[in-house]
Amino acid sequence: EAGVTQFPSHSVIEKGQTVTLRCDPISGHDNLYWYRRVMGKEIKFLLHFVKESKQDESGMPNNRFLAERTGGTYSTLKVQPAELEDSGVYFCASSISVNTEAFFGQGTRLTVV
Amino acid sequence: GESVGLHLPTLSVQEGDNSIINCAYSNSASDYFIWYKQESGKGPQFIIDIRSNMDKRQGQRVTVLLNKTVKHLSLQIAATQPGDSAVYFCAESRGTSYGKLTFGQGTILTVHP
Repeated sequence: EAGVTQFPSHSVIEKGQTVTLRCDPISGHDNLYWYRRVMGKEIKFLLHFVKESKQDESGMPNNRFLAERTGGTYSTLKVQPAELEDSGVYFCASSISVNTEAFFGQGTRLTVV
Repeated sequence: GESVGLHLPTLSVQEGDNSIINCAYSNSASDYFIWYKQESGKGPQFIIDIRSNMDKRQGQRVTVLLNKTVKHLSLQIAATQPGDSAVYFCAESRGTSYGKLTFGQGTILTVHP
């Protein structure tokens, strides 16, 4: 069974450009989470989808970040326009239910120059 | 503020020794705790979890201990192997969703042959 997969694995963009990250959760997992780790800091929660609905987006840093999960399958996280401080590793995780462990993808390393 | 933190940023052990990684948390309302292992270039990998109604849980070569009195969590790895070398994160959840986690900084475990 495939785990959580993320695309791309690495992205380098210029400040002001737009980048879209994709996450494919484990099949059958209704819960999908986005996290990020910037500048050696702790991994921080961004938001939580239950199927296609945003359950909790309290961790989204600002309105330059837009997450979608149309159809309740894969999710995208768009950063527009990207700033230097957005550089970091963006992780996606999924779980079967809200009361079970979450499994993480390998992450997307975003570098904004 | 509420946080989950680690006592030691690095830990070096000899192959075959037992390893203990410690973690402190500050929110007494947390009811779910989880340990992840992260190897270079990979995402956090689930190791073991424990709910607040338990004080000990064992897996294969790993044991998690929870002391709610002093808000302390530890991960014990028996007969540590070179393949155990990685960054270990503890994380806690406050009940809304076990996938919405607050992570600690991480401990680097290095196992010497």
